[in-house]
Amino acid sequence: QKEVEQDPGPLSVPEGAIVSLNCTYSNSAFQYFMWYRQYSRKGPELLMYTYSSGNKEDGRFTAQVDKSSKYISLFIRDSQPSDSATYLCAMTKWGGYNKLIFGAGTRLAVHP
Amino acid sequence: GAGVSQSPSNKVTEKGKDVELRCDPISGHTALYWYRQSLGQGLEFLIYFQGNSAPDKSGLPSDRFSAERTGGSVSTLTIQRTQQEDSAVYLCASSSRLAGDLAKNIQYFGAGTRLSVL
Repeated sequence: QKEVEQDPGPLSVPEGAIVSLNCTYSNSAFQYFMWYRQYSRKGPELLMYTYSSGNKEDGRFTAQVDKSSKYISLFIRDSQPSDSATYLCAMTKWGGYNKLIFGAGTRLAVHP
Repeated sequence: GAGVSQSPSNKVTEKGKDVELRCDPISGHTALYWYRQSLGQGLEFLIYFQGNSAPDKSGLPSDRFSAERTGGSVSTLTIQRTQQEDSAVYLCASSSRLAGDLAKNIQYFGAGTRLSVL
């Protein structure tokens, strides 16, 4: 079983919809959680970075962490065609320099 | 340069040949990471460098894979006797702790090298 599970999709939504992306994990030692966005043939870019349970908002994006359920979410409000990409969750046990453990990524398509 | 640079962007090779993939991190970043992304899969960690040393090479899948970093900057990932299952996108990332925030380790990724083994 993978340490981080993420539904690969694809997920197709109309422009303006609210999108919910999720990951579950098995290792309770994970403390830092990230969401990366990856456009086709590009490297991943960091969208959101959270530590501890709760919500964090940045513009149209909200990251949610529930450590008790080992579940993290990314919500995108008022989705735009430019949001069409693969979204990868990632996590790590501690801060500082160390490897990230990624989910498989969810491919999102927002159509006009 | 402004970002992480990887070369070549695409590499096609024949089974059994050796390949070298290059990563040029963001200037001043002391940490460098290699990941592999297979079709439909998330990123799989390969190796991490701090300066020229590799404290964590636990993700290298076999002894055909090796990596080095020189001058605390450029890194090369070498795959010997390539196999078809080595076909993937090889991504490099670098990081540096943000001033005043010791916990954060934001990794910045290059565009990757797409390796195809025929």
